[in-house]
Parts: sequence; structure tokens; C-alpha cells
Amino acid sequence: QKEVEQDPGPLSVPEGAIVSLNCTYSNSAFQYFMWYRQYSRKGPELLMYTYSSGNKEDGRFTAQVDKSSKYISLFIRDSQPSDSATYLCAPSAGSNYQLIWGAGTKLIIKP
Amino acid sequence: DVKVTQSSRYLVKRTGEKVFLECVQDMDHENMFWYRQDPGLGLRLIYFSYDVKMKEKGDIPEGYSVSREKKERFSLILESASTNQTSMYLCASSFRKSGGGQTVGPAKNIQYFGAGTRLSVL
Repeated sequence: QKEVEQDPGPLSVPEGAIVSLNCTYSNSAFQYFMWYRQYSRKGPELLMYTYSSGNKEDGRFTAQVDKSSKYISLFIRDSQPSDSATYLCAPSAGSNYQLIWGAGTKLIIKP
Repeated sequence: DVKVTQSSRYLVKRTGEKVFLECVQDMDHENMFWYRQDPGLGLRLIYFSYDVKMKEKGDIPEGYSVSREKKERFSLILESASTNQTSMYLCASSFRKSGGGQTVGPAKNIQYFGAGTRLSVL
């Protein structure tokens, strides 16, 4: 079993829809949870991160962590065609600065 | 802004060639990483370095070596390129230890990436 599981998609939704992207993980030592966005032919860039359980909101994006069920979510409200990208979750135990990467979900927002 | 620069966007090499991929960061970061990215497999860590002249194997180090002679530069070397090393290679850096812009708390784990090098081995 991989440490981080993420459905590779593609996930295709119409513009304006609410998008839910998810990851599950197995290591209970993870305490930092990053979401990266990667556009085609570019390197990943940090979208947002959370520490421990709970929600964090940044504009149209909300990151949610449920440590009891080891479940990570990223919600996108009012999705735009410019949100079309691959989204990677990357939790970390924090002790050695390594991130453990999900496979990434390819998201397509149709105009 | 943090800038991580990879020397080439695209490379085409022949089987058996020695290949050098260069990465430079301008944020005085302590840690540097080399990943490869393949469809459906996500990012896989090849090597990382937490200090000059120090290196640690990642999950898939076989067929690769690295060099970090200066803090800002981390090189990935394919000693004898093979077709199964055709991939996207990504360099990243993280964690500024001291001075202005020192990173603390969860931000220590944030990795900043270069644009990637797409390597084809024929």
C-alpha cells in the first residue's frame, strides 16, 4: 500500500462547479499537509498548506484535513478554466523536511 | 520570489551517454531535491541534500548520482543513460536557516520547484 493514495483522474467538470479533490494516507505521523498545483509543462507550485486537523480557506480554495480518518481534501469553489491543472497532495511528518507525494489528480474545467 | 533554475528544458541523449542535469537556487536554501515524474507514478525522490557535500538516497537512486559542491547548486548525473530513464526531472529546494526570510514552523517543509527538464534517451 502506498503511503499516499490519490485518484489520478482525469476529473472533468463544467465551469462554475464546486470541485472536490481528495487523498488518503496511512502514516499517522504526518502533521503538515501541502497541496501543489502543476500546470502542463511546468514545475509544481505550492497552492496552500494546513497544519494538523481542520480547515483552511484561501479565496476560492479550502483545504481540509481529517486526521482521524487520514483523509485530505481540497475544495475549489466557482471553478474556472484557469484552474485546469494537476493537483498533488503532499503530507509531511516534518522531521526531515521530506514531502510524501500523491500521484496527482488531473482536473479539467470545461468552459 | 524564490527562483529555482534548471539548466535545460529539453534534452535528447543517446543510450550510454553520461548526462548532467544542473539546478541552481537563489534563496540560500539548505535542502535540495531531485525527483523524476512519470505519468501515473507521481513524483519519486531520487536524491536529496541537506548541506553542501552531503547527500542522501531517495526512493529510486539506482543509475543516478549527485553532486553538491556549492550551497546553491545541485547536480544530477546519469552515469550511463538508459531508455528507462526517459522522464521529466524536477529539482526543488527548501528551508532557509538564518537571516532575512528565515523559514520557521510548517513553512520549513515547503519545496520550491524549477520548471523541469524533459529528458529523452534514445
